[in-house]
Amino acid sequence: GENVEQHPSTLSVQEGDSAVIKCTYSDSASNYFPWYKQELGKRPQLIIDIRSNVGEKKDQRIAVTLNKTAKHFSLHITETQPEDSAVYFCAASTKAAGNKLTFGGGTRVLVKP
Amino acid sequence: GAGVSQSPSNKVTEKGKDVELRCDPISGHTALYWYRQSLGQGLEFLIYFQGNSAPDKSGLPSDRFSAERTGGSVSTLTIQRTQQEDSAVYLCASSPGRAGETQYFGPGTRLLVL
Repeated sequence: GENVEQHPSTLSVQEGDSAVIKCTYSDSASNYFPWYKQELGKRPQLIIDIRSNVGEKKDQRIAVTLNKTAKHFSLHITETQPEDSAVYFCAASTKAAGNKLTFGGGTRVLVKP
Repeated sequence: GAGVSQSPSNKVTEKGKDVELRCDPISGHTALYWYRQSLGQGLEFLIYFQGNSAPDKSGLPSDRFSAERTGGSVSTLTIQRTQQEDSAVYLCASSPGRAGETQYFGPGTRLLVL
């Protein structure tokens, strides 16, 4: 089955700096890659996603890149703000497997004012 | 519109008791997923439904776990003879199914087995 690795497990950045989280996946058939943000005690919230026919996607301060050949994808947050502090999860899924999500282990991001 | 809802929000039970967790998906969403998140850990797939059928139950940890979905809407996850290792947050998500794969999560049920 699919395996998703996520790095780093914790990330501390100064407000205004950029944060980058990287994930690798094992199943070359994976075709959908969402990123979720989870604040303490809250539900995971989708912040951005990318499909396998696209190499990059941007939404304001957030961008995701996908390298299908290398089977890795990354989340980039620019101009970080204290409210970006949360746990971020990457995930991968395949249509053939019913789109069930296999998650990375999560990255705890702390933005220091 | 209304998002995914789950009940109860918290459940404390004694070891050996049965519990039922409920999920109300977004109206019209044909796909429904259950995940488990242990304290400080990632999310682990349990089971998914397309309509009322469960094509993939591979993530259920043991035969004490079962789930059903009726009317293509509400789903219940049942844990029989609960054990302390069942303590976790149980999250439900729904998606439009064949019309789209984006999953929207409910707030979860926090289960504590004493």
